[in-house]
Amino acid sequence: DAKTTQPTSMDCAEGRAANLPCNHSTISGNEYVYWYRQIHSQGPQYIIHGLKNNETNEMASLIITEDRKSSTLILPHATLRDTAVYYCIVISGSRLTFGEGTQLTVNP
Amino acid sequence: DAGVIQSPRHEVTEMGQEVTLRCKPISGHDYLFWYRQTMMRGLELLIYFNNNVPIDDSGMPEDRFSAKMPNASFSTLKIQPSEPRDSAVYFCASSLADLVVNTEAFFGQGTRLTVV
Repeated sequence: DAKTTQPTSMDCAEGRAANLPCNHSTISGNEYVYWYRQIHSQGPQYIIHGLKNNETNEMASLIITEDRKSSTLILPHATLRDTAVYYCIVISGSRLTFGEGTQLTVNP
Repeated sequence: DAGVIQSPRHEVTEMGQEVTLRCKPISGHDYLFWYRQTMMRGLELLIYFNNNVPIDDSGMPEDRFSAKMPNASFSTLKIQPSEPRDSAVYFCASSLADLVVNTEAFFGQGTRLTVV
C-alpha cells in the first residue's frame, strides 16, 4: 500500500474552513485516495474519495494535486461535531490500512 | 438499512474465557472486514471475507483468534482463550464491492472488549 503522511494534529475555529493535508508521494496511477474520519468512540466514517479530479460532496471537498502526490481535504464550515481523527488512505489490495491520522479539534 | 450491526457493544470477561463477537453486515454487501483498535497499535485489519470466504487472515494475531462467516448475513470473531492483552475495540465493516473499485466501507459501532 502507498504510504501516507499526515500532520498529527490541527486546530480550527468553528465556522472556518478546515484544510487537512496528506502526502502520498508513492501513489500509483490507478490507486484511489480515500478519507475517513473517526469521532471519539465511534466506528470510522467514510467522507470522500478521488482518483485524479477534485471531488465535492455534502460533507467535504477533496483537492488532489496534478502529480497526485498530495491531497487536501476541505471542510468548508467546520462545526464542533467535526472534531475527530481524519485518516487519509491510499487503497490497494482490497483493504483499508489506517495510519495514525490527523486529530482535528474545532474550537468554539 | 440499519447499517452494520455488532453485538455485544460491551463485553467484560475473565482471562481464559471464550469470547464471541458478532457482526451483521449490510444486506447485499459482498465484503466483510474485522478490525481491532488499541491505543498502542491503532486500527488494525485482522481478516476480511469476500462472499463468505476468508481472503486474507494475515492480521489475525495468533491461533487463539478465529473468524467465520457461515452465511452472507452473519460473521463471528472468536477468541479462545482470551487474555488481558486482547482488550480493545473490535470493529466490523462491510462493503458492496472490492474497495479498489471505487466503493466505500461502512463500519459498525464496535464491541469494546475488556479481559480482566
